Amino acid sequence: EDKVVQSPLSLVVHEGDTVTLNCSYEVTNFRSLLWYKQEKKAPTFLFMLTSSGIEKKSGRLSSILDKKELFSILNITATQTGDSAVYLCAYVGSGNTGKLIFGQGTTLQVKP
Amino acid sequence: DTAVSQTPKYLVTQMGNDKSIKCEQNLGHDTMYWYKQDSKKFLKIMFSYNNKELIINETVPNRFSPKSPDKAHLNLHINSLELGDSAVYFCASSPWTGYTDTQYFGPGTRLTVL
Repeated sequence: EDKVVQSPLSLVVHEGDTVTLNCSYEVTNFRSLLWYKQEKKAPTFLFMLTSSGIEKKSGRLSSILDKKELFSILNITATQTGDSAVYLCAYVGSGNTGKLIFGQGTTLQVKP
Repeated sequence: DTAVSQTPKYLVTQMGNDKSIKCEQNLGHDTMYWYKQDSKKFLKIMFSYNNKELIINETVPNRFSPKSPDKAHLNLHINSLELGDSAVYFCASSPWTGYTDTQYFGPGTRLTVL
């Protein structure tokens, strides 16, 4: 059965720290991997990764995919309290259903 | 402007009742989804519709019935509510271009069954 596993499940850091969140997947027919940030309400889109080795960046956040080793990482540098959230990783299989299979999420708490 | 909206935001009801949650998107997307998020924050797909046609129907009790009157709306009706139905239900939408799998989520409906 296809699955997505995120680690760690939770993380507490202080402002200014750098964090790395991990997402590994065991899937057939991989098409893309997505990262979302969920604060109190809806998950908001961060990155979509389809090609191995190409880093996506947005401000202090960056992500990269390794299709050979079947994992992705999300890096956050110089963390701020506003980065506190649940970070969700999801994959999309081929077949045009668009179904997202989510990992269990990593809860990040950034303390002042 | 709200891209994906859901009503109501909160729903508290008794076991055995029937309730509906509505979802609308103004993004011009062709595909809409319903997800359920349990107390451990695990998000799981329930249904998806592409241009009013059912595409995904996961292993969900048949007490749950989605309805898509047009491609901008996807409603979820739940019959004979049970305690285990308590969760946050998210609607999402995405284009059907084949170039992006990005889904945009609504604010969620927190359903509490007493």
